[in-house]
Amino acid sequence: AQKVTQAQTEISVVEKEDVTLDCVYETRDTTYYLFWYKQPPSGELVFLIRRNSFDEQNEISGRYSWNFQKSTSSFNFTITASQVVDSAVYFCALSEAVYSGGGADGLTFGKGTHLIIQP
Amino acid sequence: DAGVTQSPTHLIKTRGQQVTLRCSPKSGHDTVSWYQQALGQGPQFIFQYYEEEERQRGNFPDRFSGHQFPNYSSELNVNALLLGDSALYLCASSLGVLNYNEQFFGPGTRLTVL
Repeated sequence: AQKVTQAQTEISVVEKEDVTLDCVYETRDTTYYLFWYKQPPSGELVFLIRRNSFDEQNEISGRYSWNFQKSTSSFNFTITASQVVDSAVYFCALSEAVYSGGGADGLTFGKGTHLIIQP
Repeated sequence: DAGVTQSPTHLIKTRGQQVTLRCSPKSGHDTVSWYQQALGQGPQFIFQYYEEEERQRGNFPDRFSGHQFPNYSSELNVNALLLGDSALYLCASSLGVLNYNEQFFGPGTRLTVL
């Protein structure tokens, strides 16, 4: 069965510090997709990135970067020069089968990491 | 371009009652998924609807049922409510049923069962 573990329940840093959110996943499939979502206090999940299991290239988008390592089953997320607006709960998620009805259970989310950026 | 909308925003029910939650997908999307998010937890997949049929289902009892209408909007019904059903219910829409498609989430419905 698929599983996502986010061991860091809460992280608190001072503005402008760099911060890394950890994500470790378990899956039986060779084809799968990994996601990161941000959930601000309003509650609406905001899509940040999607990665497929065949693409281990790291990705950078502005102050955000992601490190995908199949060897350690990890998909970590780094925010550089954090800002107060980055404060939110961040979720890592996994999707196994590609097609609906293939036995997959939609997206499997971790428990989330509550990131607090102090001014 | 309207995003995913959900109604109502908040709901208070008592044990044993039944509840219906509603979701309108993002314009152009034809697939709706429902998730339950308990306090302090990540969302858990309930089920997914496409072409008015339930296509996938997570580990939830039959008390949880749904429906999708021809205009792609969807309802989540929960019967015989339990205290443990108290949670934020999130609706997500996407284009097509491929599980890697980006899902757009609504703001959720906060259900409290007393």
